[in-house]
Amino acid sequence: AQTVTQSQPEMSVQEAETVTLSCTYDTSESDYYLFWYKQPPSRQMILVIRQEAYKQQNATENRFSVNFQKAAKSFSLKISDSQLGDAAMYFCALLEGETSGSRLTFGEGTQLTVNP
Amino acid sequence: DTGVSQNPRHKITKRGQNVTFRCDPISEHNRLYWYRQTLGQGPEFLTYFQNEAQLEKSRLLSDRFSAERPKGSFSTLEIQRTEQGDSAMYLCASSPWGQGGRIQYFGAGTRLSVL
Repeated sequence: AQTVTQSQPEMSVQEAETVTLSCTYDTSESDYYLFWYKQPPSRQMILVIRQEAYKQQNATENRFSVNFQKAAKSFSLKISDSQLGDAAMYFCALLEGETSGSRLTFGEGTQLTVNP
Repeated sequence: DTGVSQNPRHKITKRGQNVTFRCDPISEHNRLYWYRQTLGQGPEFLTYFQNEAQLEKSRLLSDRFSAERPKGSFSTLEIQRTEQGDSAMYLCASSPWGQGGRIQYFGAGTRLSVL
């Protein structure tokens, strides 16, 4: 069964600094996708960034980038130039290929605090 | 607003009552998902539809839970004889499967409190 583990329940960062959130996963599939979602308090889950497993190049979206280590089954999120609006719960999620269904499997989440 | 819409946003009910939630997906998204999220945890998959067909159900979806998507558009999730353990946030997501890189777009959720 697929699993996603986020070992940092809480992280904090100073405004304008850089922070890295960790995620490890386990899957027996060769075709899968990895996501980072952001969930602000009392607001809906928003996609931050996506990585296809078959792509070797790490995904980047503006201030957000990932370090995808396929052999190690690691998928960390780096937030550069942190802003107050980045404060939220961040979830790492795994979606396996079509033959294994299409459910997202989420980690436990990391609560990010941004200090002014 | 063309995002995923969920109603109601909050529902308070007494144990033993039936409740129904509604989800309106993004127009033309053929896949619709339901997840449950308890406080401080990541969402857990409940079920999903492709058009009107319910293709997969989690073991979390007991016999008291039923979901429908009658015309392949909106979906309802009904919980019969609610229990205190059903208290959670129920999230709906939709996806244009086959396009857009498997991205699921989430609604704001329905928070259920069972007293």
